[in-house]
Amino acid sequence: EVQLVESGGGLVQPGGSLRLSCAASGFTFSSYEMNWVRQAPGKGLEWVSYISSSGSTIYYADSVKGRFTISRDNAKNSLYLQMNSLRAEDTAVYYCASNHIEGYFDLWGRGTLVTVSS
Amino acid sequence: EIVLTQSPGTLSLSPGERATLSCRASQSVSSSYLAWYQQKPGQAPRLLIYGASSRATGIPDRFSGSGSGTDFTLTISRLEPEDFAVYYCQQYGSSHTFGQGTRLEIK
Repeated sequence: EVQLVESGGGLVQPGGSLRLSCAASGFTFSSYEMNWVRQAPGKGLEWVSYISSSGSTIYYADSVKGRFTISRDNAKNSLYLQMNSLRAEDTAVYYCASNHIEGYFDLWGRGTLVTVSS
Repeated sequence: EIVLTQSPGTLSLSPGERATLSCRASQSVSSSYLAWYQQKPGQAPRLLIYGASSRATGIPDRFSGSGSGTDFTLTISRLEPEDFAVYYCQQYGSSHTFGQGTRLEIK
């Protein structure tokens, strides 16, 4: 079955760190560009970060630049998001999503909830 | 950054009716790189339309997309009970941005 499964979410204090993981299965992960997208409670979707299939090209939204780091391990079929200096406004469900070659997101995981609160 | 504005914010219709959702971009979306997603409560978004008018795999033909430049439309020809959800447009021609969503609710 083709799927993405996120993990690593939880409750963290402001200023803290968290590392999210996304496990891919059922397709050739190493051939796909990947993204992280988040959704604050009751709000819309916000693109967070992109990584190319090889990991050589990376982009971030301005809201997370300098605090978040995206990476991947193609041997482990896994995508990661290292989140540092977390703020209350980072509270959201974080989804990983595969990037079709044309740019739209054709497969999404079910998400993992990150709550930043003291 | 390209800003996408969706209207209306909420659309109240009955099953069997036709739904028309709008997505307007602050500048032209290159090559019609515009997608539509459906999201139901507690679920991840699902791709419906890409390239402004191409249906994704497995999407019923009652869903159609149209438009170019700055104005795009998602039309659901005859609403089924399972179509009531939140719909987002996304442009992927210049980085990635999403609209704020249109909630389609049962009247």
